[in-house]
Amino acid sequence: DADVTQTPRNRITKTGKRIMLECSQTKGHDRMYWYRQDPGLGLRLIYYSFDVKDINKGEISDGYSVSRQAQAKFSLSLESAIPNQTALYFCATSDLPGRGDTQYFGPGTRLTVL
Amino acid sequence: ELKVEQNPLFLSMQEGKNYTIYCNYSTTSDRLYWYRQDPGKSLESLFVLLSNGAVKQEGRLMASLDTKARLSTLHITAAVHDLSATYFCAVDSLLNTDKLIFGTGTRLQVFP
Repeated sequence: DADVTQTPRNRITKTGKRIMLECSQTKGHDRMYWYRQDPGLGLRLIYYSFDVKDINKGEISDGYSVSRQAQAKFSLSLESAIPNQTALYFCATSDLPGRGDTQYFGPGTRLTVL
Repeated sequence: ELKVEQNPLFLSMQEGKNYTIYCNYSTTSDRLYWYRQDPGKSLESLFVLLSNGAVKQEGRLMASLDTKARLSTLHITAAVHDLSATYFCAVDSLLNTDKLIFGTGTRLQVFP
């Protein structure tokens, strides 16, 4: 089984709709992240969480919100989706810094906003 | 603001040839990561470089880090088709935070 899972894997929605993307991990990591990938722009950090009580904005948090329900779960919400939020969204996890660990990425959610 | 630049953005190379991908970043950091992404897939970690002068090798890929020059390189030796993918470097935006800033990626295409 995959260590980092995302649901749904693909979603088509309409402008103005609320949508939630979910991420679960079995790696036991405290740190979780949400990224967005657009062609030619690489990955950009939306929100990150270093533990259940810690939520931080990333580079591009406007229009998004998150919830850290448990150590293993981190959800990303689009309260009112707009077409320029069409992108590939990745969740990632990492262990504590200083351990030389990398970030581990989920399979991605392809979101299309019409 | 930390910026991470990769070049080239696109690389088409013949099997058996060598080439280097460059990753420059704008502020002090001593943690640099390389990832690989196949089309439509997730990111796979390749290398984690944690100090100046660090060099790591895996198969035909070798990565190095020069923190004084704020430069990392990913060297490809005797390329094969299976190396075709997009390669990203990423830098820790602040020391030891794991808050990564990614480069825009280098799309590598290896042809016979």
